[in-house]
Amino acid sequence: QQPVQSPQAVILREGEDAVINCSSSKALYSVHWYRQKHGEAPVFLMILLKGGEQKGHDKISASFNEKKQQSSLYLTASQLSYSGTYFCGTEIDKTSYDKVIFGPGTSLSVIP
Amino acid sequence: DAGVTQSPTHLIKTRGQHVTLRCSPISGHKSVSWYQQVLGQGPQFIFQYYEKEERGRGNFPDRFSARQFPNYSSELNVNALLLGDSALYLCASSAIVGNQPQHFGDGTRLSIL
Repeated sequence: QQPVQSPQAVILREGEDAVINCSSSKALYSVHWYRQKHGEAPVFLMILLKGGEQKGHDKISASFNEKKQQSSLYLTASQLSYSGTYFCGTEIDKTSYDKVIFGPGTSLSVIP
Repeated sequence: DAGVTQSPTHLIKTRGQHVTLRCSPISGHKSVSWYQQVLGQGPQFIFQYYEKEERGRGNFPDRFSARQFPNYSSELNVNALLLGDSALYLCASSAIVGNQPQHFGDGTRLSIL
C-alpha cells in the first residue's frame, strides 16, 4: 500500500518554512525521506526507525509517529537548493529486505 | 568512491522487443534493488537482491526478471516490451538489508515506440 503525501505541491520564498507529511494505512517499521531534482536520481536525506528519535541535519529534520503511522519532514529557513520533489518511503518490518514503498512525492519550489 | 552506475543511460526500443539494463552497486554494497519511475510518480519497487538471491518482488508481471552476479552487479531484463514500460529504471544499492539508506544510480531512461 503506497503511502500518502501532502501537500502535492508547495511554493515557498527563500527563508520560509515548510512541512511535508507522509502517512500509511499499514504499521511501519521505518520511514525514509529522499529528494529528487529534475533529471537526477533520488538522494537520501534521512531514515527514521520505529522507536527512534526525531532526526535532522542542517535545517531539515523529520519526525516519526509510529502509533499514527505518520512522518513529517520539516524544512526551515528554506534555500533555493531545497527545490525538488520529496518522496517518503516506507518499510513495514525489520526484514522487508529494502522493499521501500515510495509515496507519490511532494513538489517543492523555492523562489527568491 | 564511485557511486551506483547504470548502463545504458538512454534506450529506445519497439514493442515486443526485450531489454537488459545493468547496474553496478557502490563498492562493498551487497544489496541491489530495482525501481521503475514513471514521470510524475514515485519510484515503484520491482526487485531486491541480496547475496545473489531474490529477496523481494514487487507487483510486476513475469516479463520482468533480474539477477545478481558474484561481484554484486545486477541485470534487469524485460521481455515483450509494452508502451507502458516506458519509464526511468532506477537501481539502488545498500550495504546490508533492512531499513538501510538506498543509494540510487542516475537511472536508465527507456522509451518504447
